[in-house]
Amino acid sequence: GEDVEQSLFLSVREGDSSVINCTYTDSSSTYLYWYKQEPGAGLQLLTYIFSNMDMKQDQRLTVLLNKKDKHLSLRIAHTQTGDSAIYFCAGEDSSYKLIFGSGTRLLVRP
Amino acid sequence: DTEVTQTPKHLVMGMTNKKSLKCEQHMGHRAMYWYKQKAKKPPELMFVYSYEKLSINESVPSRFSPECPNSSLLNLHLHALQPEDSALYLCASSQEETDPYGYTFGSGTRLTVV
Repeated sequence: GEDVEQSLFLSVREGDSSVINCTYTDSSSTYLYWYKQEPGAGLQLLTYIFSNMDMKQDQRLTVLLNKKDKHLSLRIAHTQTGDSAIYFCAGEDSSYKLIFGSGTRLLVRP
Repeated sequence: DTEVTQTPKHLVMGMTNKKSLKCEQHMGHRAMYWYKQKAKKPPELMFVYSYEKLSINESVPSRFSPECPNSSLLNLHLHALQPEDSALYLCASSQEETDPYGYTFGSGTRLTVV
């Protein structure tokens, strides 16, 4: 089945760019997703990318997909303190169920 | 209305209690989900309802009993829980079970079993 891995922690200075990385094993996902979870809250869908795309840009967010290496990344430009949260990448298994990575905790320092 | 509403936000229950978690959405979504999330872990799927019928049960113990009374409501009935069942319980919905555009999550019910 699908296995999704992420680095656990990232610390950046406010105003810098953040890059959160994710690797996955099952290339059958039609879409790949990035979710954000703030403390004590549910998950918020940030963006998604269709599997036949290499890149998607949405305001400060850029998603890069390398299908050959099964690598997905989320770049946040001009990172703000409000971006501090846990970020989950997710793929789909063959039953279309979301499979989440372990989550990356992003800390933005003033 | 683009929200999934979960009640209560917090719940403390004893191991002999019976309680229910509620989830509501008015987006016309036909798939609804229960997830369990332990601290510092990703959400784990428990149940999927599609068109008000149970579609997936991820081998969840019978002390958790889901119910979908109509297309807008999803309940999770709890009975004889264990302390290790303490977690954040998240409800989500999507247009269809195979919706590619992602899920809308509620803010969760934080459950503590004492």
